[in-house]
Amino acid sequence: DAKTTQPNSMESNEEEPVHLPCNHSTISGTDYIHWYRQLPSQGPEYVIHGLTSNVNNRMASLAIAEDRKSSTLILHRATLRDAAVYYCILRDSNSGYALNFGKGTSLLVTP
Amino acid sequence: KAGVTQTPRYLIKTRGQQVTLSCSPISGHRSVSWYQQTPGQGLQFLFEYFSETQRNKGNFPGRFSGRQFSNSRSEMNVSTLELGDSALYLCASSLGHNSPLHFGNGTRLTVT
Repeated sequence: DAKTTQPNSMESNEEEPVHLPCNHSTISGTDYIHWYRQLPSQGPEYVIHGLTSNVNNRMASLAIAEDRKSSTLILHRATLRDAAVYYCILRDSNSGYALNFGKGTSLLVTP
Repeated sequence: KAGVTQTPRYLIKTRGQQVTLSCSPISGHRSVSWYQQTPGQGLQFLFEYFSETQRNKGNFPGRFSGRQFSNSRSEMNVSTLELGDSALYLCASSLGHNSPLHFGNGTRLTVT
């Protein structure tokens, strides 16, 4: 699997938007970009995924750069419950189902 | 719809022993994958099963093994436990390729 690079930590104020960046300069054409988050004492939770176009769902938006070498997860209004570790990962749709997570970005939300 | 269930939640074993962890996927999900999470290494892929066949394997020694049953339930086994095997072991299920993973809350294994 291609590697991703994320900042170790970020901080945001409650009710403000949060932009979590991810670099994946070695992404291949068949790699999907997935985002998961992990709250304390829980397993990771799916947030969103995309291939080329920007994606929106009830939890977040995913903005994918035109060259696909980077992406940004956007939380439109951070809440205290959004404090978690966010993982950006790539999965090759051809090679199988191996997902390797890095250490992610630890998001701190302050009131 | 019930989520992914992992048992037991906590386990304490002694070096040299073996352990079996269990995972019940979401109904209808045929893919089950296992991950090891430690503070130092983060979340690392162990293996993935689909329809009772191991489809992918991570970079772990042969002491780590798994299997999947016809009802999609899965077990993983670790033999000859080492102190470094202490970790949170997570199971995830999905419908298949490109489908989101649904994780359980894990089994916390402590090896003393």
